[in-house]
Amino acid sequence: DAGVIQSPRHEVTEMGQEVTLRCKPISGHNSLFWYRQTMMRGLELLIYFNNNVPIDDSGMPEDRFSAKMPNASFSTLKIQPSEPRDSAVYFCASSFLRGNYGYTFGSGTRLTVV
Amino acid sequence: QQPVQSPQAVILREGEDAVINCSSSKALYSVHWYRQKHGEAPVFLMILLKGGEQKGHEKISASFNEKKQQSSLYLTASQLSYSGTYFCGTESSFGVRALTFGSGTRLQVQP
Repeated sequence: DAGVIQSPRHEVTEMGQEVTLRCKPISGHNSLFWYRQTMMRGLELLIYFNNNVPIDDSGMPEDRFSAKMPNASFSTLKIQPSEPRDSAVYFCASSFLRGNYGYTFGSGTRLTVV
Repeated sequence: QQPVQSPQAVILREGEDAVINCSSSKALYSVHWYRQKHGEAPVFLMILLKGGEQKGHEKISASFNEKKQQSSLYLTASQLSYSGTYFCGTESSFGVRALTFGSGTRLQVQP
């Protein structure tokens, strides 16, 4: 398996623009997580899905953030409109819902909003 | 609530040992440990379930004290490749699967 695939790897955008981050989880994994990492706040859970269903989005900072998982092999995280304080590395991770398994993280998307 | 990790940073010489601690104020179902190298994604090391089991992974092992809601990661005979930031992630309920991560412990192993 190619692992968890995220795109793009880097994104530079202007304030106010829409940003869409993409994630393809490992085939067979039925839990998917979106995290944001910054120096100040560390790794923060934004939202997670079990079997494509959003379970907890309480970590989504504002209504500007939205996430979808239309099928088992694809998820998106959208920010509209983007702000400079959204600059961070966004990680997608997947895992099995049951059993003693850890997360497999994607390589992350480094987002810079100028 | 975020688990507390200590120490925040540690510098070792090759061959030395280190212990990284993770403490939570909430009852825990499991504790995960990850290592992240600069510019890379976190990599899963091991998971410990409540029951106080200790697990090992090469020269890296960990324990979980369910009563104290604490876990410790033990690195013995450290190697240069052990350098990175170590995170514990806690799972508060069975089936929740969403981890809350500590702020990390930066480990640097010097020749």
